[in-house]
Amino acid sequence: NAGVTQTPKFRILKIGQSMTLQCTQDMNHNYMYWYRQDPGMGLKLIYYSVGAGITDKGEVPNGYNVSRSTTEDFPLRLELAAPSQTSVYFCASSYGGLPGGNEQFFGPGTRLTVL
Amino acid sequence: GNSVTQMEGPVTLSEEAFLTINCTYTATGYPSLFWYVQYPGEGLQLLLKATKADDKGSNKGFEATYRKETTSFHLEKGSVQVSDSAVYFCALSANMDSNYQLIWGAGTKLIIKP
Repeated sequence: NAGVTQTPKFRILKIGQSMTLQCTQDMNHNYMYWYRQDPGMGLKLIYYSVGAGITDKGEVPNGYNVSRSTTEDFPLRLELAAPSQTSVYFCASSYGGLPGGNEQFFGPGTRLTVL
Repeated sequence: GNSVTQMEGPVTLSEEAFLTINCTYTATGYPSLFWYVQYPGEGLQLLLKATKADDKGSNKGFEATYRKETTSFHLEKGSVQVSDSAVYFCALSANMDSNYQLIWGAGTKLIIKP
């Protein structure tokens, strides 16, 4: 099993450009998440999904969009990139939700710089 | 509100030293508590967890006890190895607007010297 895979690993964008960060998991997990990690800070939840066709906002959703058309894929779209979106982005998945203490499995991250 | 505070790093130790990384939290209700570890160049992975007060999570020689009275979940290991060098994150599960989310500490970088 590959687990959670993310592409690209690194990307530099100019202000105003758009891009899609890809995330795929092969564990048949219902729950998927997008986080961002800023230097010296903990992870912040951007969006999450509890199953195909269902998405919801996390703590910091502004400037991002997501879709979940299949169980496996959960792409994150950045429209009109801004320097404040410079960060490391992590995708994660879990079999169940947090009340059961379910483990989240993480991808290796995408380092995005907006200049 | 819900928050997690970890000791600042980097923490630098010699091999076979005793490790403690402090983690304290504020939360409403009874959250589950987690330690995740991020090795260089990799994604985060669960190290251990505890789902109720007085539970002890353990894995790979690491331990942490859920202390409700002190709102703490300190990570300990009796004898660290160079391979333990990584960033360690403490987190809690919190009910945010009827949905559970993980609230993360800032991470503590651990450097073990041979």
